[in-house]
Amino acid sequence: GAVVSQHPSWVICKSGTSVKIECRSLDFQATTMFWYRQFPKQSLMLMATSNEGSKATYEQGVEKDKFLINHASLTLSTLTVTSAHPEDSSFYICSAKREGNQPQHFGDGTRLSIL
Amino acid sequence: DAKTTQPTSMDCAEGRAANLPCNHSTISGNEYVYWYRQIHSQGPQYIIHGLKNNETNEMASLIITEDRKSSTLILPHATLRDTAVYYCIVRPRDDKIIFGKGTRLHILP
Repeated sequence: GAVVSQHPSWVICKSGTSVKIECRSLDFQATTMFWYRQFPKQSLMLMATSNEGSKATYEQGVEKDKFLINHASLTLSTLTVTSAHPEDSSFYICSAKREGNQPQHFGDGTRLSIL
Repeated sequence: DAKTTQPTSMDCAEGRAANLPCNHSTISGNEYVYWYRQIHSQGPQYIIHGLKNNETNEMASLIITEDRKSSTLILPHATLRDTAVYYCIVRPRDDKIIFGKGTRLHILP
């Protein structure tokens, strides 16, 4: 079946640093990937849609300069949280979708803790 | 705007069938019904989807009413590992997934 891999699984870093999270589709090409964020006891919130070869589309209220998305190939999208602060601590999850009538498949998420 | 309505939580005895309802009275003709679940601290897992016919796979069955205004996800023999939050999502085929609050399913030993 389809597999989406995220790396790292968890990261702890100091306030002010930038953190990059990778999302890979392992056995299919994904022209579109999605990035979500989830706070404790809340549902997933869509942050942006990542399109291969073009700029990402951000949801309302999500700062594009804060959350940089790059989708340079059909199997890799990256999310960089720039100048991270404690309020950026969250569970970040990506998903990828094949072309056609296929469901999205999700990675196992990255738990980010900013001290 | 929420397109689906699900109960906040449900309990089911281990070994019994878990029937999770979902109301989607404003569903459009080109929108599919998708079900995902999220086990604690993991990414969502795809379960099943359908347009208007009932669907079955190795994980579950999806029953969609004839008017398509509601559906039921059936886990035929629930186990403790099925404890999760279950999300019913309605969307066009190629559109992004917007998650609601889902149903927290507790499987009781």
